[in-house]
Amino acid sequence: KAGVTQTPRYLIKTRGQQVTLSCSPISGHRSVSWYQQTPGQGLQFLFEYFSETQRNKGNFPGRFSGRQFSNSRSEMNVSTLELGDSALYLCASSEGLAGVRDTQYFGPGTRLTVL
Amino acid sequence: QKEVEQDPGPLSVPEGAIVSLNCTYSNSAFQYFMWYRQYSRKGPELLMYTYSSGNKEDGRFTAQVDKSSKYISLFIRDSQPSDSATYLCAMTARGFGNEKLTFGTGTRLTIIP
Repeated sequence: KAGVTQTPRYLIKTRGQQVTLSCSPISGHRSVSWYQQTPGQGLQFLFEYFSETQRNKGNFPGRFSGRQFSNSRSEMNVSTLELGDSALYLCASSEGLAGVRDTQYFGPGTRLTVL
Repeated sequence: QKEVEQDPGPLSVPEGAIVSLNCTYSNSAFQYFMWYRQYSRKGPELLMYTYSSGNKEDGRFTAQVDKSSKYISLFIRDSQPSDSATYLCAMTARGFGNEKLTFGTGTRLTIIP
């Protein structure tokens, strides 16, 4: 089976812009979770989508949003970018039966740099 | 104070040594504990998953959970250069409504041949 894929792998934006990141889960997986990874804060949970609905949410501002399509593919959007949004954004997919307690399979991430 | 504390290292040990990686946590509701390994420029991959106190063994890896002390450990026996990576602990509680995985900041491990 193909693994989790994320596009693009690298992205450079300027402050105030918005960005959309894409994630294709493993075939058959219905849950997609998003994480932000930075050297100072580590890996932080953003949100989880299951069957096109946001099921769990972390403690990030409303500038961070996401959605999931009927084929389980997911997109994450960050509006009004700030310098502190520079990070590796990781997507993980799982079967979805037990929420975030399911085994998560991570993609390689999208490296976002905000100038 | 963070909910999960993990020594960032870096930790360097000679090949063949036993490695001990640790995390402490403050939220007594945490019931499910995981260890992930992350190689450079890759996403994390699950190594061990446990939900009870005690030890769980898988090959050269042993996960240990002590809920009374809010302390978890990962032991690597006969360490190999291929074990060089960042190791992240993660945990979650079973809640009604909003669940999330909380990660430690990771320990960077280098195995010296």
